[in-house]
Amino acid sequence: DGGITQSPKYLFRKEGQNVTLSCEQNLNHDAMYWYRQDPGQGLRLIYYSQIVNDFQKGDIAEGYSVSREKKESFPLTVTSAQKNPTAFYLCASSIMKWEGQYFGPGTRLTVL
Amino acid sequence: QKEVEQDPGPLSVPEGAIVSLNCTYSNSAFQYFMWYRQYSRKGPELLMYTYSSGNKEDGRFTAQVDKSSKYISLFIRDSQPSDSATYLCAMMGGIQGAQKLVFGQGTRLTINP
Repeated sequence: DGGITQSPKYLFRKEGQNVTLSCEQNLNHDAMYWYRQDPGQGLRLIYYSQIVNDFQKGDIAEGYSVSREKKESFPLTVTSAQKNPTAFYLCASSIMKWEGQYFGPGTRLTVL
Repeated sequence: QKEVEQDPGPLSVPEGAIVSLNCTYSNSAFQYFMWYRQYSRKGPELLMYTYSSGNKEDGRFTAQVDKSSKYISLFIRDSQPSDSATYLCAMMGGIQGAQKLVFGQGTRLTINP
């Protein structure tokens, strides 16, 4: 089955730690995205990538970093510089032609 | 003012009712409009997408776009308890590479048996 996988489903982080969230897709999509969702709010774009080895900041990139070494993979690192990282993180992908974005199941990150 | 406004609800209706969900927006450059359904603790699922103004129907779901009023709607006919979820509208301007969507905050819908 084609789709987007995210791991882990739940992640706990201590203050001052960096953590990396995984996102993998086998849809052969060119573009990939990371969003953050807070309770009662819509999705906010963190980073996006159109092609391998290239990515752009979204609206709330501070405290986050990404890489795109393979077409299928777009990991997100939440650094200690992100002051309020507790949230639900969603990865999505799309083809370059318009057909909408498709989302993974999400990772819930909690800072202890 | 947010670019996309969506009433967060919650909205509660009896099974079988017609549900109307709405979003307004301020950016006249938006041309592509989407509705996503999100169940609790899950990723959003693309329900429908439309380009420019007009209607689009898919089973029990109808999406409407009125660009002159900057207003979009999603209608659900013969609503079922399984339709209980949060519905997110999203939109963007022209396509140049990756799609930078702007989302509403979502409307939480409950269908009561």
